[in-house]
Amino acid sequence: GAGVSQSPSNKVTEKGKDVELRCDPISGHTALYWYRQSLGQGLEFLIYFQGNSAPDKSGLPSDRFSAERTGGSVSTLTIQRTQQEDSAVYLCASSFHRQGRNTGELFFGEGSRLTVL
Amino acid sequence: AQSVTQLGSHVSVSEGALVLLRCNYSSSVPPYLFWYVQYPNQGLQLLLKYTSAATLVKGINGFEAEFKKSETSFHLTKPSAHMSDAAEYFCAVSASEKLTFGTGTRLTIIP
Repeated sequence: GAGVSQSPSNKVTEKGKDVELRCDPISGHTALYWYRQSLGQGLEFLIYFQGNSAPDKSGLPSDRFSAERTGGSVSTLTIQRTQQEDSAVYLCASSFHRQGRNTGELFFGEGSRLTVL
Repeated sequence: AQSVTQLGSHVSVSEGALVLLRCNYSSSVPPYLFWYVQYPNQGLQLLLKYTSAATLVKGINGFEAEFKKSETSFHLTKPSAHMSDAAEYFCAVSASEKLTFGTGTRLTIIP
């Protein structure tokens, strides 16, 4: 596709269930990012991939959160045993950035809205 | 370490009036700075960026921002607001591979 695609766009789940969120980046983009957007909290960095490696996963809030990227393309963010505080919009972005300071443009998807009841 | 502070979570201006959205940064290295815009039900898109060239940066839709090192600021301005400018605006700083975003400012345009 032409842009970053995320699925599902909306997910409602019960507390304690596991969820998977998917991101299809722009073809050829080597860098992929996950951010979390909560009301009044701005965008919170979760994890950064360069190819299939994650050199920076410092933003993952707890060990219930994990992410992987395969084939240098699709990424999945998994949240285990969801809690109500996990409710947020999860945003994925990709870019051409390869190494060093990021000077480029991040292309964002429209996000996956997660609601934990 | 890097961070940005956006002053004012909500700003309202009249159509045709000056838009001023404030951003102050903190960075351990000379920063690269960005403004992103998020229109309702859409993803974020880049408005403009400063990467150590000219201190006055022009972006899309008539917006511009000036990097002021002495004030550690990167405020976003537009001389005349349009209804279509209603959106949420995020300031961001890069001192590494990732961008660190502020908490956002929601801009409302009053007809």
